[in-house]
Amino acid sequence: AAGVIQSPRHLIKEKRETATLKCYPIPRHDTVYWYQQGPGQDPQFLISFYEKMQSDKGSIPDRFSAQQFSDYHSELNMSSLELGDSALYFCASSSGVGGNYEQYFGPGTRLTVT
Amino acid sequence: AQSVTQLGSHVSVSEGALVLLRCNYSSSVPPYLFWYVQYPNQGLQLLLKYTTGATLVKGINGFEAEFKKSETSFHLTKPSAHMSDAAEYFCAVSEDTGFQKLVFGTGTRLLVSP
Repeated sequence: AAGVIQSPRHLIKEKRETATLKCYPIPRHDTVYWYQQGPGQDPQFLISFYEKMQSDKGSIPDRFSAQQFSDYHSELNMSSLELGDSALYFCASSSGVGGNYEQYFGPGTRLTVT
Repeated sequence: AQSVTQLGSHVSVSEGALVLLRCNYSSSVPPYLFWYVQYPNQGLQLLLKYTTGATLVKGINGFEAEFKKSETSFHLTKPSAHMSDAAEYFCAVSEDTGFQKLVFGTGTRLLVSP
């Protein structure tokens, strides 16, 4: 079965640079979620999109922005990177069809800021 | 606001022994509850979920959890641990309206010794 695809899997950037993370949800899933997991920490919700509209927002820095495109893939844009942005970034997708709201997670993008 | 508390950052068991990972939740509305497992350098895999209906939920890999509203608990159990169960386990809660962010606990690392 198709899973959530994230690219790139690993990314190394320097401070003050910009990064773009991509997420391709499971086919026919209409909702995408972004989470950030710092070293040794639990995943923290950043932002979500339903049918290309922002549906919820968590502790996402103003330096970060995200959107969902017409093909339902999503991109997380991160500017003015800081050392503290080094983390594992997960994308998850879900579908409300049939009342099944399970979130399926991608393998994550490991961002290292040096 | 919803929250989840996982008691014990590390749990050690012997192979073949009972696994018990504790999770207590706080929610002002009926919750959806989830257990996810994370193997090193991998994404989050759903073990099981509780939404409505039967309070004893069976998941993959022999795991099960019981939703106890009176105790606000959703503990994860497995009768007999395998070496392959060694991983990080996260309990998570979301609201029952669907399309809601997951709020994770701080995780419990399960160590299995031969």
